[in-house]
Amino acid sequence: NAGVTQTPKFRILKIGQSMTLQCTQDMNHNYMYWYRQDPGMGLKLIYYSVGAGITDKGEVPNGYNVSRSTTEDFPLRLELAAPSQTSVYFCASSWKLAGAYNEQFFGPGTRLTVL
Amino acid sequence: AQKITQTQPGMFVQEKEAVTLDCTYDTSDPSYGLFWYKQPSSGEMIFLIYQGSYDQQNATEGRYSLNFQKARKSANLVISASQLGDSAMYFCAMPHKDSNYQLIWGAGTKLIIKP
Repeated sequence: NAGVTQTPKFRILKIGQSMTLQCTQDMNHNYMYWYRQDPGMGLKLIYYSVGAGITDKGEVPNGYNVSRSTTEDFPLRLELAAPSQTSVYFCASSWKLAGAYNEQFFGPGTRLTVL
Repeated sequence: AQKITQTQPGMFVQEKEAVTLDCTYDTSDPSYGLFWYKQPSSGEMIFLIYQGSYDQQNATEGRYSLNFQKARKSANLVISASQLGDSAMYFCAMPHKDSNYQLIWGAGTKLIIKP
């Protein structure tokens, strides 16, 4: 059981480049989330999904896009990367919504630097 | 607005001593929950413990317990008999009252256990 996997682990982008952060979970969870963590801060929700084909914005969605074509995969796309998107990105999944008793399972994170 | 405050940016504790990590919150939602997560230096987020506002008894998971005081709006994490492996960042989080998909996170406390 791999849990939540993310690729790549590290990436350096130039300003204006685009990339996709991959996230896959093998726990058959309906709910998936993308967070970013800036230095010295807690996590901020970028996008979430309640099931295949259904996504919605979180607290900080600008500059990002997501899709959910399968239960397992929830890629995050950065278009026109900016230095403000330098952060650590976490993908997570859960059985239930955040807020009910549940445990969000996190991937190992992707450290992204935009120069 | 909802807010989570962790007032201890860093703590040093002697191995085998008990540790209390502070978390205060502000919410107008009568029904809510509090989560604690651990983030070791490797970067992944690990769920530790959860308690709902209507739970009668303080939650306990192994060496972790929640000292939940609703009147004071605090949900402190207590780690008994600390171990070197407890050295990590610790985050307190609660659901956003208008969107329980979204967790509001504190800034975290860096705990270092001294041998």
